[in-house]
Amino acid sequence: QVQLVQSGAEVKQPGASVKVSCKAFGYTLISYYISWVRQAPGQGLEWVGWISTYNGNTNYAQKLQGRVTMTTDTSTNTAYMELRSLRSDDTAMYYCVRGSEYFLHWGQGTLVTVSS
Amino acid sequence: EIVLTQSPGTLSLSPGERATLSCRASQSVSSNYLAWYQQRPGQAPRLLIYGASSRATGIPDRFSGSGSGTDFTLTISRLEPEDFAVYYCHQYGSSPRTFGQGTKVEIK
Repeated sequence: QVQLVQSGAEVKQPGASVKVSCKAFGYTLISYYISWVRQAPGQGLEWVGWISTYNGNTNYAQKLQGRVTMTTDTSTNTAYMELRSLRSDDTAMYYCVRGSEYFLHWGQGTLVTVSS
Repeated sequence: EIVLTQSPGTLSLSPGERATLSCRASQSVSSNYLAWYQQRPGQAPRLLIYGASSRATGIPDRFSGSGSGTDFTLTISRLEPEDFAVYYCHQYGSSPRTFGQGTKVEIK
């Protein structure tokens, strides 16, 4: 069955970068877009962006433009999201999800904590 | 950007009661591309409804979605204990994708 398995929790200092991975099982990565959604502690869901796993086209949330990069490695069926110049308000659970429209399949989430 | 406003913020009900959740969009949602998710504590969100009214695979028929344009509703006909959770609406008809702020359904 379809599974998205994400990398483990990260603790980073302000100004650092983080790269979260999302490995797809049960289907070929290039068959569907991958989107990323984040959720700050006790808060709602926020769309981060999506990547076309077929041609690498991306669409990022305007507030993260310039700090976020989404990539894929089709040889390992894995998608990545890198966030740079981390700030305390980037502390959140980051989810990868299959598709760019409605989201049926979710990863388990990766908690990124930004703290000095 | 389409802003989604959910109401009420919190709904206090008893098991067996009917829950009606609202999601209002700041502009018309293209092709009624509106989804609903349920999130229980410590879990990833779960897709309930897409296309405003289509139930996702495996979702019980006590969950139903309706609406079009700017006004959408999620109805839970008879609340089961496992339905007490937070519910989010989400529009995917235009970019950027946006979510409502959530409605918490709690036990009265």
